[in-house]
Amino acid sequence: GAGVSQSPSNKVTEKGKDVELRCDPISGHTALYWYRQSLGQGLEFLIYFQGNSAPDKSGLPSDRFSAERTGGSVSTLTIQRTQQEDSAVYLCASSTYSQNEQFFGPGTRLTVL
Amino acid sequence: QKEVEQDPGPLSVPEGAIVSLNCTYSNSAFQYFMWYRQYSRKGPELLMYTYSSGNKEDGRFTAQVDKSSKYISLFIRDSQPSDSATYLCAGTSGTYKYIFGTGTRLKVLA
Repeated sequence: GAGVSQSPSNKVTEKGKDVELRCDPISGHTALYWYRQSLGQGLEFLIYFQGNSAPDKSGLPSDRFSAERTGGSVSTLTIQRTQQEDSAVYLCASSTYSQNEQFFGPGTRLTVL
Repeated sequence: QKEVEQDPGPLSVPEGAIVSLNCTYSNSAFQYFMWYRQYSRKGPELLMYTYSSGNKEDGRFTAQVDKSSKYISLFIRDSQPSDSATYLCAGTSGTYKYIFGTGTRLKVLA
């Protein structure tokens, strides 16, 4: 079956612009996660969704970052007023339930000039 | 100190060798341990998902967890050039919040 998909695969933007990153989880997966992977760093947890609710937003680095999920499916991560330090690969994962194995998408590579 | 530590490598081995990849962790609450394989410019792919101490085998891959020493390992038998990738270990206490190591880059030379 189809895995987790993310779009765009690459995004280049100028400092100060807003960007939206999209994630389509595996069908039927109720839990969805966003991570950030910077060069030389491990995956950094950003936010967890159960259905359309986000009980844990503790990893969002600043109030410039927000995310939403609609219809228990697609999620969008929005970064406002991007900064150069936001450059990273943003990965989305989903699982059947919050305690089950997480399956990752291919990621969106964000470059802020 | 990071909660999960991995040697970044690169680790270079000849084709056919047995590869040992290792992680240490500091959180005693960790109960579940994962190994992911990540090819360049791709997302992590789940290889092994294990609970508590012991061994788990899947084809050429064996995951080993020693909770007493907080040490986890992934063994790859008969390594192939296609195994060349970055291997990420992760642990969790049983919640959704996985804590990842920074990954070990493996190169299998033909």
